[in-house]
Amino acid sequence: AQSVTQLGSHVSVSEGALVLLRCNYSSSVPPYLFWYVQYPNQGLQLLLKYTTGATLVKGINGFEAEFKKSETSFHLTKPSAHMSDAAEYFCAVRGSGSARQLTFGSGTQLTVLP
Amino acid sequence: KAGVTQTPRYLIKTRGQQVTLSCSPISGHRSVSWYQQTPGQGLQFLFEYFSETQRNKGNFPGRFSGRQFSNSRSEMNVSTLELGDSALYLCASSEQGDNTEAFFGQGTRLTVV
Repeated sequence: AQSVTQLGSHVSVSEGALVLLRCNYSSSVPPYLFWYVQYPNQGLQLLLKYTTGATLVKGINGFEAEFKKSETSFHLTKPSAHMSDAAEYFCAVRGSGSARQLTFGSGTQLTVLP
Repeated sequence: KAGVTQTPRYLIKTRGQQVTLSCSPISGHRSVSWYQQTPGQGLQFLFEYFSETQRNKGNFPGRFSGRQFSNSRSEMNVSTLELGDSALYLCASSEQGDNTEAFFGQGTRLTVV
């Protein structure tokens, strides 16, 4: 079974500061990992994904994440926070075969302070 | 390409009623999955359909059911609604393949009173 743990349900940063959202996963097979963002009363928007290949993955809106197998981590970063980044962020791992559904972490609410 | 479309966006139902939610996937996507999102339980997988067949089902009671049509559109049905069924129901579509991303609709906000 796969699982995802997001450390910190709430993170606050100042505008212009580094954003770091933490995600650790558990998977018995090579994982497919995703970060999604959700704005109020909206669905989930894909930020980036890791499948195979390069461990540093770049996504939309200046976000990137690094896959570290030895640490079973897939932390999301952005060098400089913008007010528009305030939202809830979800890390997810995808299964394979007949169990290819996404398993989500509990989410991290990002607040950006002026 | 048009995105994933879910209808209706908002719904208010009374306990004991039943409800049907609809999802139109991105053109060409044959996999459709449904998720329930609540403040207490977070995002939980309901079921996945591929080519009109249910491929996998989450840990939900039998009151939750779904189906997929030949054009890949999907519906989910909840019978005998309970207050705890109040949630945001999200539909996602994807191409075949384990490494493909899921694209989500804006969701249907169901309130049971």
